[in-house]
Amino acid sequence: QVQLVQSGAEVKKPGASVKVSCKASGYTFTSYAMHWVRQAPGQRLEWMGWINAGNGNTKYSQKFQGRVTITRDTSASTAYMELSSLRSEDTAVYYCAREMGYYDSSGFLYYYMDVWGKGTTVTVSS
Amino acid sequence: EIVMTQSPATLSVSPGERATLSCRASQSVSSNLAWYQQKPGQAPRLLIYGASTRATGIPARFSGSGSGTEFTLTISSLQSEDFAVYYCQQYNNWPLYTFGQGTKLEIK
Repeated sequence: QVQLVQSGAEVKKPGASVKVSCKASGYTFTSYAMHWVRQAPGQRLEWMGWINAGNGNTKYSQKFQGRVTITRDTSASTAYMELSSLRSEDTAVYYCAREMGYYDSSGFLYYYMDVWGKGTTVTVSS
Repeated sequence: EIVMTQSPATLSVSPGERATLSCRASQSVSSNLAWYQQKPGQAPRLLIYGASTRATGIPARFSGSGSGTEFTLTISSLQSEDFAVYYCQQYNNWPLYTFGQGTKLEIK
């Protein structure tokens, strides 16, 4: 079955960087894009960025532009999210989620997130 | 940015009863809306996409409706495992997806 397995919890100091991995199995990794979403304590889910696992193209939320880098290793069927210049407000659970496409009744193609990883807790504290 | 607003923040319902959760978008998202269920310590689980299409394996007691700016998730007969937090999410503005703040469904 489709699974996304994320790396373990991290504790970082302010100003450091963190790199979270998301290993996919049960499907052809390069045929689907991947999103990264985070959830700070008591906050709503927040979209961070996206990568086309096939060609490596990326898009990022304006909020994280310049601090976030999403990459992938097709040989390992793994996507990565690196966040730099960490601050306490970046303390959150970070999720990867596979993108699934479908055609609506008008024939337009839309994408939603169908399978999610279990999340990686990142704590930023001095 | 499309702002998603859910109501109520907390809903108290008895097992076996019906629960109705609402989600409003700040501008039309057509039918490009998904609903997720999240239990403590777990990842969000997709319930509904396209505003009304149940995801694979989701029981028929979950149904979604609406289009444009107003959406509803209905759980027809609450089971103990349904008590969780529910989020709506718009994907009309790809890839700038946005989520509601969540509705906590608790046992009355």
